[in-house]
Amino acid sequence: ELKVEQNPLFLSMQEGKNYTIYCNYSTTSDRLYWYRQDPGKSLESLFVLLSNGAVKQEGRLMASLDTKARLSTLHITAAVHDLSATYFCAVIGKGAQKLVFGQGTRLTINP
Amino acid sequence: GAGVSQSPRYKVTKRGQDVALRCDPISGHVSLYWYRQALGQGPEFLTYFNYEAQQDKSGLPNDRFSAERPEGSISTLTIQRTEQRDSAMYRCASSLEQNTEAFFGQGTRLTVV
Repeated sequence: ELKVEQNPLFLSMQEGKNYTIYCNYSTTSDRLYWYRQDPGKSLESLFVLLSNGAVKQEGRLMASLDTKARLSTLHITAAVHDLSATYFCAVIGKGAQKLVFGQGTRLTINP
Repeated sequence: GAGVSQSPRYKVTKRGQDVALRCDPISGHVSLYWYRQALGQGPEFLTYFNYEAQQDKSGLPNDRFSAERPEGSISTLTIQRTEQRDSAMYRCASSLEQNTEAFFGQGTRLTVV
């Protein structure tokens, strides 16, 4: 059974700092997604990672995928308050169709 | 439509009542998914459809939960004889076809009292 674990679950950081959120998954995957969720809002897709070594960047966020280690990272560079949200990684197992989500990382960026 | 639309946005029901939650996917999207999200947790898969066919219902918690998509567009998730533990955010997502990105709706917040 596919399991997805994120860490840390809670992260409070200062503006301008860098940090990384980790996402481990337990079985072979076809695709990995990163989503952002603001309080009371829906999930917004940030990145989809398809292959080993894939790296995608959007603004201050960069996501990477290591399929051999079954690990994805979401790196935040020079954080700003607007990035405060809950971030989820979600994995689709090999040959499957459903997304399996991690527990989420609640990120708070303090001015 | 412009996005995935769910209704109602909020539903409060008494224990033992039946509820029906509606999802209107993005126009032309073949695949439709239902998830349930408890407070402070990630969404958990319930079921999904390709066109009108229910492909996987392994995530439905018990036989009080059912879903249909009779014409391959709008879907209804029905919960019979609701219990307090059914209280959660129910989210629908759709994708253009299998193996493509899923877009989520705003969800229906169900509270069973």
